[in-house]
Amino acid sequence: EDKVVQSPLSLVVHEGDTVTLNCSYEVTNFRSLLWYKQEKKAPTFLFMLTSSGIEKKSGRLSSILDKKELFSILNITATQTGDSAVYLCALNYGGATNKLIFGTGTLLAVQP
Amino acid sequence: NAGVTQTPKFRILKIGQSMTLQCTQDMNHNYMYWYRQDPGMGLKLIYYSVGAGITDKGEVPNGYNVSRSTTEDFPLRLELAAPSQTSVYFCASSPSGGPNNEQFFGPGTRLTVL
Repeated sequence: EDKVVQSPLSLVVHEGDTVTLNCSYEVTNFRSLLWYKQEKKAPTFLFMLTSSGIEKKSGRLSSILDKKELFSILNITATQTGDSAVYLCALNYGGATNKLIFGTGTLLAVQP
Repeated sequence: NAGVTQTPKFRILKIGQSMTLQCTQDMNHNYMYWYRQDPGMGLKLIYYSVGAGITDKGEVPNGYNVSRSTTEDFPLRLELAAPSQTSVYFCASSPSGGPNNEQFFGPGTRLTVL
């Protein structure tokens, strides 16, 4: 059965800390791995990874995919209180239907 | 563009009642999706559509129905509501089925069935 597992389930850090969020998967034939940030409402898109070993960066956030070891990580450096959210990992597995299977998410709380 | 909009934002239903959750997108996207998110869980796909007139089941379709008569609208129908359908419902859309197309999400509808 296809599965996406995120760890840790929750994390509390202080402003300025660096965090690493993990996403491991058991999904065959997926096309891309996506990271979303979910605050109080709708998930908002962060990154899409299609190739192994190529890091994507956006400001203090970066992410990389390892297709051999079947995982991805999301790094956030110099965390701020505005980074507090649930971070969701999803795999695009449905071929041309673009369907996503989501992990349960990591709840990040950044304290001042 | 308003993006993906959903109505209502909140709703309380009694067991056995029916309702329709509305979803509209103004980005001319062909692909639309309905997800539910239970507390502390990720999103699970209920139904999806790859174009007007075409719909298909996702992971958890039981108790729901959909229709897609226009590109813009993708309503989700709950018949005979049950407490197990208490959840937050998100609608999403993407331009096509290409591998580089992310999904854009609406703000969600929080549904409670008592």
